[in-house]
Amino acid sequence: AQSVAQPEDQVNVAEGNPLTVKCTYSVSGNPYLFWYVQYPNRGLQFLLKYITGDNLVKGSYGFEAEFNKSQTSFHLKKPSALVSDSALYFCAVRDNWDTGRRALTFGSGTRLQVQP
Amino acid sequence: DGGITQSPKYLFRKEGQNVTLSCEQNLNHDAMYWYRQDPGQGLRLIYYSQIVNDFQKGDIAEGYSVSREKKESFPLTVTSAQKNPTAFYLCASSPGTRNYEQYFGPGTRLTVT
Repeated sequence: AQSVAQPEDQVNVAEGNPLTVKCTYSVSGNPYLFWYVQYPNRGLQFLLKYITGDNLVKGSYGFEAEFNKSQTSFHLKKPSALVSDSALYFCAVRDNWDTGRRALTFGSGTRLQVQP
Repeated sequence: DGGITQSPKYLFRKEGQNVTLSCEQNLNHDAMYWYRQDPGQGLRLIYYSQIVNDFQKGDIAEGYSVSREKKESFPLTVTSAQKNPTAFYLCASSPGTRNYEQYFGPGTRLTVT
């Protein structure tokens, strides 16, 4: 079955510094990968996705993600963190096509704390 | 959260009572989903529906039921059979295209005592 791992429960970074939130995945076939952000007591907001093409994907709010097929990773990055980026971040992968299930599998989430 | 509404935002029930959570979308999306979110566990799929009058169980369907009588509506009933119903419930929809990008509602926090 497909799976997503977010190895860090929390990432702390100072405002203005670059940030990375890690994600690795396991899926058969070509991976369809997503990043979402969640603010307290809110739904998830879509940030970006990788379907095919360039390994560096640009998304909302200055975020980008780097797809690395050999390392089965899809790390979220931002060159300069803002305090307002503090939130919970989820990585997700589309389910294996051959399972017949048409849904996403989510990681456990990483809390990003940006200190002023 | 645009285009997907969930009501109410907070819901309190006594143990042993069934409760129905509302989810409506005006995005004309074919697919709809229900997730449960618990601290430290991410999102777990309860049920999903790819088309009207059809739905499938997700990973944690026991104690839950759904219906999909209209394209825009996908209500979730939390029954008394659900052992630990207190959680944050999220509804999502997708155009149903192959890339499965999902759009989420604001969520309903259910507390059962």
